[in-house]
Amino acid sequence: GAVVSQHPSRVICKSGTSVKIECRSLDFQATTMFWYRQFPKQSLMLMATSNEGSKATYEQGVEKDKFLINHASLTLSTLTVTSAHPEDSSFYICSAREGTGRNTIYFGEGSWLTVV
Amino acid sequence: AQSVTQPDIHITVSEGASLELRCNYSYGATPYLFWYVQSPGQGLQLLLKYFSGDTLVQGIKGFEAEFKRSQSSFNLRKPSVHWSDAAEYFCAVGLNDYKLSFGAGTTVTVRA
Repeated sequence: GAVVSQHPSRVICKSGTSVKIECRSLDFQATTMFWYRQFPKQSLMLMATSNEGSKATYEQGVEKDKFLINHASLTLSTLTVTSAHPEDSSFYICSAREGTGRNTIYFGEGSWLTVV
Repeated sequence: AQSVTQPDIHITVSEGASLELRCNYSYGATPYLFWYVQSPGQGLQLLLKYFSGDTLVQGIKGFEAEFKRSQSSFNLRKPSVHWSDAAEYFCAVGLNDYKLSFGAGTTVTVRA
C-alpha cells in the first residue's frame, strides 16, 4: 500500500535554531500534503496545507514565518521550524493525499521535536 | 461550527470482548469520514473510510464502522478484541479539500 515517510523521526535542537522535517510519499505522487501538530495526549491540529508548486495555506493562528513549508516536488514537502523555542516542542505529522481514484489520506510516522 | 466528538476518552475492554467507539460530527454537509489508530509514539494508520455508498464499511484488522446520517455518527466496532488492539483511536472528518478535523481520541485498554 501507499507509504508516507517522515524524517527525522526524532530531533533535538537548541533554542533559536531552525530544524527541517521532511515528508515523502514513497510510491505515489501527492499534489497535496498536510502538516499537523499533536501535543502529548491530545488530538491532531491541522497547521497548513502544502501544495506542490505553490505557497502553502496556513490555518488560522499558525505563524507562516515560523513554520516554513515547501512543496518542491510531487513527492516531497518540508516543514522548517525557524527560531525554535521550547514551546515548539511537539509531535509533527504529515499526511499526503493519494488522488489517483482512491482519494485516501495516508499519514507519515511523525516527527518528535524537542527544543532545549 | 464544524466539530468532531468522541465522547469516550478511555475504554477498557477484556480480550475477546466486543468493542464500540463512538464518533459524532457536526458539519454543514455529509463529510468524508475516517478512523485512524495510533500506537504510542507512532504515526496514524488508516483503519477504514467512508465517502459514499454502503453505510457499513469494512476495514483492516477486523474493524467495521457504520455511517448513520440521521444521527451524524460513524461508530467503529470490532466483534472480538485482541491485546494488540490497545491503542489510541481517532475519528477524523473532512470535506473534499481533505483537510481533516480530528476528534479528541479514545484510548483503548485491553485487559487479559
